Order: sequence, then C-alpha cells, then structure tokens
Amino acid sequence: ETGVTQSPTHLIKTRGQQVTLRCSSQSGHNTVSWYQQALGQGPQFIFQYYREEENGRGNFPPRFSGLQFPNYSSELNVNALELDDSALYLCASSPFLAGAQETQYFGPGTRLLVL
Amino acid sequence: TQLLEQSPQFLSIQEGENLTVYCNSSSVFSSLQWYRQEPGEGPVLLVTVVTGGEVKKLKRLTFQFGDARKDSSLHITAAQPGDTGLYLCAETRGSRLTFGEGTQLTVNP
Repeated sequence: ETGVTQSPTHLIKTRGQQVTLRCSSQSGHNTVSWYQQALGQGPQFIFQYYREEENGRGNFPPRFSGLQFPNYSSELNVNALELDDSALYLCASSPFLAGAQETQYFGPGTRLLVL
Repeated sequence: TQLLEQSPQFLSIQEGENLTVYCNSSSVFSSLQWYRQEPGEGPVLLVTVVTGGEVKKLKRLTFQFGDARKDSSLHITAAQPGDTGLYLCAETRGSRLTFGEGTQLTVNP
C-alpha cells in the first residue's frame, strides 16, 4: 500500500508568480485535505476535497484554490504569491469524509520559498 | 475560532529523563489528537482521546484528557533520542483539524 506522496519536495518562486503543488492520496482514500505550516507553527487548514468537490475551507484568500481528480489525487494552486506564503504545504488523505475521529494520513510536504 | 495553546514551546532534556507537555483550550474539545512530526515529514498520529478523564498509553507515552475536555497532557517516561520531534495537539471538528503550535522536544544522548 502506497502512502501519501507530494511533489515537488522543494520549490522556490518569486513574488507575484503562481505555483501548483501535487498530492497523491493513499490507496482507497477519497478525501484530501491541505494544510499550510509556517516555520515554527502548527499546520493550518486550507481546504478539503471530497469526491472532487470542495468540502470545507479555512481562513485563506481565494488565490488559494484546489482541484481533486477522479483518481482522488489533488492539486493546490496559489496565485499572486506573497512572501508570507513561504511555508511547508502538507497534504493529508483519509478513507472517506473525515469525521471527528477519522485518521488523516499526511504526506511529507512541499517546502515553498517565496523570494 | 478555538485556540489551542501548547506548552512549553521548546524542551531540551537528557536521555532517560521524564517530561510532560500540555495542550489547553478556552473551550471544550470535541475530541483531541496528538501527533509527532519529524523534520522533513508530515505529522503522524499518536492517539485520539474523546472522553473526559480518559487515559491512554502507547509504550512509554501516556496521554490524559482533562475531565472537562478543555486540556490534555502527554507524558513521556525515560525519554530516548528517537523521541525527538515536534509534538502537536489538534482538535478534530468535522472535516478539519485545528492544530496548536507544537512543542519542539529534543532528547540529547
């Protein structure tokens, strides 16, 4: 069974650029959540996708958007990058719509640096 | 928005020592999870606590959930260098996790 994978592992962009991060969920999981983890802080919920539809969003502006594909893999897109977007972006998958006790399995993250 | 406060923020101890880290909230948790995150990796779930007063053990780790479900603690006995990492508590509410800022633990050999 393959775990959650993310690509790329590291990325450097400049202010104003756009970026796409990718996540392949664990086999059998149809729900993907994205989190942003700034240095020295805990992860913050960006949004979740369930069966290709957005299912819940955190306090992030519309320039953060996402997609989920029929194979349940997912993309996170960030437009008009700002310096404060520099962070570790984590993807987590779970077997079905995450309830209060569903286990989310995290990928290793993509480290984004915005210059 | 519920705020989770973790303390201490940093902890550096010698191998073999015991330690306790804390997670507190101003409001009642629906349920609480503890994670450990190592450098270059995502958080890994250690335990979920749901019932007030609940105690769970995972080898040398003991997790307690406060009676009022507004606080939790993680106690590690005889810490080892392999316990080094960022310990995060997170409230599970519906489809999302709300994390604290974590306790960075370093266990020196």
